[in-house]
Amino acid sequence: LAKTTQPISMDSYEGQEVNITCSHNNIATNDYITWYQQFPSQGPRFIIQGYKTKVTNEVASLFIPADRKSSTLSLPRVSLSDTAVYYCLVGDWGTSGTYKYIFGTGTRLKVLA
Amino acid sequence: ETGVTQTPRHLVMGMTNKKSLKCEQHLGHNAMYWYKQSAKKPLELMFVYSLEERVENNSVPSRFSPECPNSSHLFLHLHTLQPEDSALYLCASSQDRDSGQPQHFGDGTRLSIL
Repeated sequence: LAKTTQPISMDSYEGQEVNITCSHNNIATNDYITWYQQFPSQGPRFIIQGYKTKVTNEVASLFIPADRKSSTLSLPRVSLSDTAVYYCLVGDWGTSGTYKYIFGTGTRLKVLA
Repeated sequence: ETGVTQTPRHLVMGMTNKKSLKCEQHLGHNAMYWYKQSAKKPLELMFVYSLEERVENNSVPSRFSPECPNSSHLFLHLHTLQPEDSALYLCASSQDRDSGQPQHFGDGTRLSIL
């Protein structure tokens, strides 16, 4: 199964850009890279998903190098409300044909005033 | 508003009780999932349903019994649970089980076993 490695925690200040890097050395050629955000006592919220190069939406950017062995989530100008746990996921098709997300322990981001 | 609604949000039960968790999605998705999130552990996938058929059971004890009566509803029936079953139980849905498209999660049921 593909697995991811990301920093356990990060601190940042309001207004700064935050980059969280994730390693996924064993990613398969047909796997997507997906990032989620989770606040306490809530379910994970989808942030962004990509396969290669760069993807940008209204809340974040995702940078994926050519070898796809890592990816970087970029959050521009964070605010206190961005304090949360961020999960980098790669999927696995498994043997049942179901695309499964494999959650790690995530990165706990704390934004300071 | 996530499109996936779970009830109840909190549940306290004894080890001999029987209760059910409910999940409802209004996104028109064909796949639904149950996850368990224990303190300081990654989310664990428990069950996967596709078009109301159970397609995956990840070695979950039989005291957890899922039910999917239609594509919009998913239940998790609980019976004779153990203290280590206390956790946040999350329901999710996606367009299809094999599309790789993002899963949409509910806010979970916080379960405490006395």
